[in-house]
Amino acid sequence: GAGVSQSPRYKVAKRGQDVALRCDPISGHVSLFWYQQALGQGPEFLTYFQNEAQLDKSGLPSDRFFAERPEGSVSTLKIQRTQQEDSAVYLCASSLEGLAFRDTQYFGPGTRLTVL
Amino acid sequence: GDSVTQMEGPVTLSEEAFLTINCTYTATGYPSLFWYVQYPGEGLQLLLKATKADDKGSNKGFEATYRKETTSFHLEKGSVQVSDSAVYFCALSGVDSNYQLIWGAGTKLIIKP
Repeated sequence: GAGVSQSPRYKVAKRGQDVALRCDPISGHVSLFWYQQALGQGPEFLTYFQNEAQLDKSGLPSDRFFAERPEGSVSTLKIQRTQQEDSAVYLCASSLEGLAFRDTQYFGPGTRLTVL
Repeated sequence: GDSVTQMEGPVTLSEEAFLTINCTYTATGYPSLFWYVQYPGEGLQLLLKATKADDKGSNKGFEATYRKETTSFHLEKGSVQVSDSAVYFCALSGVDSNYQLIWGAGTKLIIKP
């Protein structure tokens, strides 16, 4: 079946612009995660959804970052007033169960955001 | 808090060489351990995992054994191929992190023909 998809794959924004990044998880997956990956580093957790509920947003770096998953499937990560330090690859992952740390997370290809 | 440390890269080997990429962790209790691989231009893919002590995960000729006594999960392969060139990430998910994956910094592997 289809895996996790993300769009756009690449986004260039001017500093100060707002951006929206979309994630389509695997159908039926309860959990959805957003991670930020800087060049040459491992991913860093941003936020977690179980169905439509955002259970943890402790990794969001500032109040300019906002994520939603209103119907428990597609999720959008929005970054307002982008800054150069927001440049990174944004990864979305989904897993079948909720709050199961033995569960496998399946990753999308990522969106590479470059802020000029 | 939980953390993962893996050997720095790049690691450069000749084809058919033996591979070891070291990974050690710090966590409360018994976390689940994962190796993910990122091929050039592609997303992260699960390579293998182990969910309890002494478990061995294996896939595509790669193996890793969950060693609680040494808090390690080293990745090994007996004979690497050029197609194994990629970045390898060790990660854990544990009681404290619950649902988050805690990641190492990644190890770039370069296999020369």
